Amino acid sequence: DADVTQTPRNRITKTGKRIMLECSQTKGHDRMYWYRQDPGLGLRLIYYSFDVKDINKGEISDGYSVSRQAQAKFSLSLESAIPNQTALYFCATSDWGQGTGELFFGEGSRLTVL
Amino acid sequence: SQKIEQNSEALNIQEGKTATLTCNYTNYSPAYLQWYRQDPGRGPVFLLLIRENEKEKRKERLKVTFDTTLKQSLFHITASQPADSATYLCALPRGSTLGRLYFGRGTQLTVWP
Repeated sequence: DADVTQTPRNRITKTGKRIMLECSQTKGHDRMYWYRQDPGLGLRLIYYSFDVKDINKGEISDGYSVSRQAQAKFSLSLESAIPNQTALYFCATSDWGQGTGELFFGEGSRLTVL
Repeated sequence: SQKIEQNSEALNIQEGKTATLTCNYTNYSPAYLQWYRQDPGRGPVFLLLIRENEKEKRKERLKVTFDTTLKQSLFHITASQPADSATYLCALPRGSTLGRLYFGRGTQLTVWP
């Protein structure tokens, strides 16, 4: 089983719908992140959390919200989806105690907003 | 604002040759730089980290250099193989907080037999 699991892997929805992307991890890491990837733009940070009670905005948080339900779970919500939120979304984790700060990514959730 | 540029969107080389990918950055003095590999439809996978006080780091057929004067990192794959075909991303930290990264757009490497 994957260490970082994202659901759903693919989702097609309509403008205005509420969407939740879920992420769970078995790595025991305290830090979790949501990134968005668009062709030609690279990965951009949406939100991140260093602890269950800690939520921080990234560079493109508008239109998104997150919830850290437990150390192992971090969900991303689009309250009212719009077409320009069509993208590939990645959840990632990192270990505070590790000096490299490397990120461990899930397999991605491809979201299409019509 | 900080800016990261990777030399080209695509690089095609013959098997056995050395692939060299470039990552340039501006308005920034990062404490380290990371390289990731991403296969189609998959999440990025961490390859190497090099710190500002390290000139070079190696891992098997991979070599990374970090020139803080030129604000550039070079990523080399020696004796390249078709299995090395993927998109390679460079990433720099956002401030001092580990895990918050700026990513380049990536270079798509194709190694042909």
